[in-house]
Amino acid sequence: EIVLTQSPGTLSLSPGERATLSCRASQSVTSTYLAWYQQKPGQAPRLLIYGTSSRATGIPDRFSGSGSGTDFTLTINRLEPEDFAVYYCQQPWTFGQGTKVEIK
Amino acid sequence: QVQLQESGPGLLKPSETLSLTCTVSGGSISGYYWGWIRQSPGKGLEWIAYIYYTGSTNYNPSLRSRVTMSVDTSNNQFSLKLTSVTAADTAMYYCARHHMVATVAFDNWGQGTLVTVSS
Repeated sequence: EIVLTQSPGTLSLSPGERATLSCRASQSVTSTYLAWYQQKPGQAPRLLIYGTSSRATGIPDRFSGSGSGTDFTLTINRLEPEDFAVYYCQQPWTFGQGTKVEIK
Repeated sequence: QVQLQESGPGLLKPSETLSLTCTVSGGSISGYYWGWIRQSPGKGLEWIAYIYYTGSTNYNPSLRSRVTMSVDTSNNQFSLKLTSVTAADTAMYYCARHHMVATVAFDNWGQGTLVTVSS
């Protein structure tokens, strides 16, 4: 089973700053299979990125994904107040443990 | 916009069988894969199983011996059964639709239903 390790556990930033979230896999992951989700309290996860770098429907272009092999990154440019949430990476069929992006 | 809604009992006793149904509205169940994911404080997000609208399934190896999924295309529903539940099965259970192209990603989720296992 491939294990996904996300870092950092918590990221404290101010609105307008850039967030860089890391997802490292224990084995190489096919780029087509790497996805990112956002989850806010009391809500289901929401798909942000699929296939490493493709934005899901309705996702603003300040969200971008990159990476290959075992190292993948989610970047959020110019954080908006609604972006403060927990973010998960996923590959078939496991999820990372999440990175919380909190207001500094 | 397709919507998913989970339904089923929220409280079970150890050794009972968890049965959940997901009703899909605003779109057809045909042509897609559909899945169940659960989330607990201790284990985070955990994929349970998925089913194609034709009925073919794939289960998480760690749960395979206890899990069954089925689909009812006439009622636009799919279901999950998990036998011999324990406290470790206490979690929020979500049903979700797989992305049409990136079929390993989940692009539509239900709001979730909390299942508690307690004697």
